[in-house]
Amino acid sequence: LAKTTQPISMDSYEGQEVNITCSHNNIATNDYITWYQQFPSQGPRFIIQGYKTKVTNEVASLFIPADRKSSTLSLPRVSLSDTAVYYCLVGEVDYSGNTPLVFGKGTRLSVIA
Amino acid sequence: DAMVIQNPRYQVTQFGKPVTLSCSQTLNHNVMYWYQQKSSQAPKLLFHYYDKDFNNEADTPDNFQSRRPNTSFCFLDIRSPGLGDAAMYLCATSRVGSGAYNEQFFGPGTRLTVL
Repeated sequence: LAKTTQPISMDSYEGQEVNITCSHNNIATNDYITWYQQFPSQGPRFIIQGYKTKVTNEVASLFIPADRKSSTLSLPRVSLSDTAVYYCLVGEVDYSGNTPLVFGKGTRLSVIA
Repeated sequence: DAMVIQNPRYQVTQFGKPVTLSCSQTLNHNVMYWYQQKSSQAPKLLFHYYDKDFNNEADTPDNFQSRRPNTSFCFLDIRSPGLGDAAMYLCATSRVGSGAYNEQFFGPGTRLTVL
C-alpha cells in the first residue's frame, strides 16, 4: 500500500476555500485516491475518490496531477460544520475482499468563525 | 434508511471482564470490518470478514475475537480487556464486486471504557 503524507492540522475561516494536499509518491498504477471525513465521535464518511485529473461532487473537488504523486482535496466555502479530520487513502479497487483500506494520520481541519 | 448500527454506543467494563460489542447492517454488504480508534489517532483495522471468511490483521492481539453469524451481524469480543483497550470501536461495511470503489460505510462507533 502506498504511504500517504498529509499536514497534521489546518485552520481556516468560515467562507474560505480549503485545500488539503496529500503526498503519495509510491502510488501504484492500479491505485485510486480516496478521501474520508470524520467528525468528532462519529465514524468516518466517504467524501470523494479519483484516479486522475479532477473529480467533483456536491461536497468537494479532488485534483490529481498527471504524475499522481499527490492529490488535493478542495472544500469550497467552508463552514463551522466542516470542522473534522480528513483522511487521504491510496489503494487498489478491491475485487477480492481482502485488501481493506489503511487510514493514515489525517488532517485535522478547524474552521473558525 | 439502510445503515450500519452499533450497540451499545457507550460501554463500560471492568479490567479483565469479557465484553462483546455488536454491529448490524441493513446494506446487505458482503464485507464487514472492525476498527479500533484511540484518542486523536487514525482508525486501526483489527480484522474483517469477506462473507464468512475471516481475515485477521497480523498485529491484532489474541485478546480480540470476532464472530459473524450471518450477513447482517458481526460481533467483537474482547476476552480480557485491559486499560489500553479503552477506545472507540468502529464497524464498517463495504460491497465487493459491485464496481464500487471500496467505499466503506461506518457505524457511529462504540466507546469502550475500561475501569
